[in-house]
Amino acid sequence: ELKVEQNPLFLSMQEGKNYTIYCNYSTTSDRLYWYRQDPGKSLESLFVLLSNGAVKQEGRLMASLDTKARLSTLHITAAVHDLSATYFCAVVPLNYGGSQGNLIFGKGTKLSVKP
Amino acid sequence: DTEVTQTPKHLVMGMTNKKSLKCEQHMGHRAMYWYKQKAKKPPELMFVYSYEKLSINESVPSRFSPECPNSSLLNLHLHALQPEDSALYLCASSQAGLSYEQYFGPGTRLTVT
Repeated sequence: ELKVEQNPLFLSMQEGKNYTIYCNYSTTSDRLYWYRQDPGKSLESLFVLLSNGAVKQEGRLMASLDTKARLSTLHITAAVHDLSATYFCAVVPLNYGGSQGNLIFGKGTKLSVKP
Repeated sequence: DTEVTQTPKHLVMGMTNKKSLKCEQHMGHRAMYWYKQKAKKPPELMFVYSYEKLSINESVPSRFSPECPNSSLLNLHLHALQPEDSALYLCASSQAGLSYEQYFGPGTRLTVT
């Protein structure tokens, strides 16, 4: 069964602290996506990780991908309130039979950054 | 233009109504998607169009009927919906082929009464 598992599902942080969100997936995939969603809003693309060992950084967020371990991490450095949102990882399984990729999402991590 | 637009932003409809959701992109993408997202859940894929042809239908009830009139437009026709169909409906587009990044529209918040 195809699974994309995120943990934690809920994360309450203090401003200035560091933390990591984990995304494990059960299928073969050569790329992984991270999205941010604010309440009632659409999905904003944060990172596209294209290969094993890929690391990308934008501001206080850094994402990495280990395709052998089927694991991606989203690291938050010195959190600020503006980072409060729900973060989703998603993969497209390589062995999917259709002609177009089916994006499989994790359940999301709801991040709350408190002063 | 790197934007996917959706109309309307909000829609309230009764169970006997017929309505349509619209999605448009001008990025030259040849794949377009409909997702349904319930509160506090991840998006769930409903339909995929690739080169204006339906390539994926994730066992969606027939009261949802997609249409792709051309490479820039995607519609979702709604008829005889149930209250449990209330959700955020997201449209996305991408280059055709596996694993290309999908760009999401702002969504339509649908309420079925």
